[in-house]
Amino acid sequence: SQQGEEDPQALSIQEGENATMNCSYKTSINNLQWYRQNSGRGLVHLILIRSNEREKHSGRLRVTLDTSKKSSSLLITASRAADTASYFCATGKDTSGTYKYIFGTGTRLKVLA
Amino acid sequence: KAGVTQTPRYLIKTRGQQVTLSCSPISGHRSVSWYQQTPGQGLQFLFEYFSETQRNKGNFPGRFSGRQFSNSRSEMNVSTLELGDSALYLCASSLARGVTDTQYFGPGTRLTVL
Repeated sequence: SQQGEEDPQALSIQEGENATMNCSYKTSINNLQWYRQNSGRGLVHLILIRSNEREKHSGRLRVTLDTSKKSSSLLITASRAADTASYFCATGKDTSGTYKYIFGTGTRLKVLA
Repeated sequence: KAGVTQTPRYLIKTRGQQVTLSCSPISGHRSVSWYQQTPGQGLQFLFEYFSETQRNKGNFPGRFSGRQFSNSRSEMNVSTLELGDSALYLCASSLARGVTDTQYFGPGTRLTVL
């Protein structure tokens, strides 16, 4: 099963509303990253949050990390049609010098104009 | 700086053939990772190269191989193609190894196996 699982799988909102996506994972991590992917294209890095951080902001994006619950959330405020994309979380883990990123299943966000 | 580039962008092959995909990382980046993305399995890690050496490998059969050159450019090869190999293959580069480094992705190569 996936290390990171996003919830919900799909989300449809009106332009101007906020969108919240959640990511849960199973094992301890070193960091967690959020990516955006537009329809079958490459991934765009949004935010990296380290395991000792609780919250990070970048423009209209806010990411929180709760390591005790093994979960993270991505909040997009004042959404725009251009935010329509799939959003993935990726957990990064360092196991004795072997680094692995495991991606979640993604949340498909649709922002209606 | 130019981003990660991948060639070709689209590829159609038939079962049994082999294919080579290329990835040029961001200038100065030394780590290159490859991922396979399919609708059913999502994004799955294939392997990572750093300083021309494979440092990490995902759970894929030996038909999937790769290499990295001294200029950090990387190639991925899939031999004896199967229908299930149809996917978007993504390459990502980072400055160094380690999970604290951000991975920057290329646009991907869409491989269709007929």
